[in-house]
Amino acid sequence: EAGVAQSPRYKIIEKRQSVAFWCNPISGHATLYWYQQILGQGPKLLIQFQNNGVVDDSQLPKDRFSAERLKGVDSTLKIQPAKLEDSAVYLCASSLGKPGTGLWETQYFGPGTRLLVL
Amino acid sequence: GQSLEQPSEVTAVEGAIVQINCTYQTSGFYGLSWYQQHDGGAPTFLSYNGLDGLEETGRFSSFLSRSDSYGYLLLQELQMKDSASYFCAVEDSSYKLIFGSGTRLLVRP
Repeated sequence: EAGVAQSPRYKIIEKRQSVAFWCNPISGHATLYWYQQILGQGPKLLIQFQNNGVVDDSQLPKDRFSAERLKGVDSTLKIQPAKLEDSAVYLCASSLGKPGTGLWETQYFGPGTRLLVL
Repeated sequence: GQSLEQPSEVTAVEGAIVQINCTYQTSGFYGLSWYQQHDGGAPTFLSYNGLDGLEETGRFSSFLSRSDSYGYLLLQELQMKDSASYFCAVEDSSYKLIFGSGTRLLVRP
């Protein structure tokens, strides 16, 4: 079974530039998550999709970050314009997708995109 | 507020046993999970506790006490490949995962 795919793996940009990350979840997984992991910290959820609908984006800085999941499969996360503090690893994860049932669902993470903003 | 506390770093010898503790304060609680992350790698799921008690998966065990808002991950027969960061994560009332800052485990020969 193929895992979660992300690209690019690394990206270096200057502040105020734009950048986009792509994620392809595990086949059949309805729920997709984007996390931000700053060096030395745990992942922080930015946005959660159930199919192509947003379930939670309460921690997404909406003035500069946007995400979409067209057709309920692949997803892109965009930052425009980037700030120095956006330097982090952006992790995509997916799970089968039975939200609100109280049943535990393992989240499977991709390798991440390491972003450096200069 | 939401907070998870775990030690920042633990060192142990190959073959030994190590315990990584996690205490939490979150708005709602459904369960505690543990993830392993090697440097430059993706977090990978290790275990989940939804109820009090011990869950065992091979060399790894995880424990939860809901009344104490406390859990731990126990790693036995440590191997060099176990050197990694370990994160506890609480599933809160909206089924979101809230991660701790991680414990960096260094296994020495």
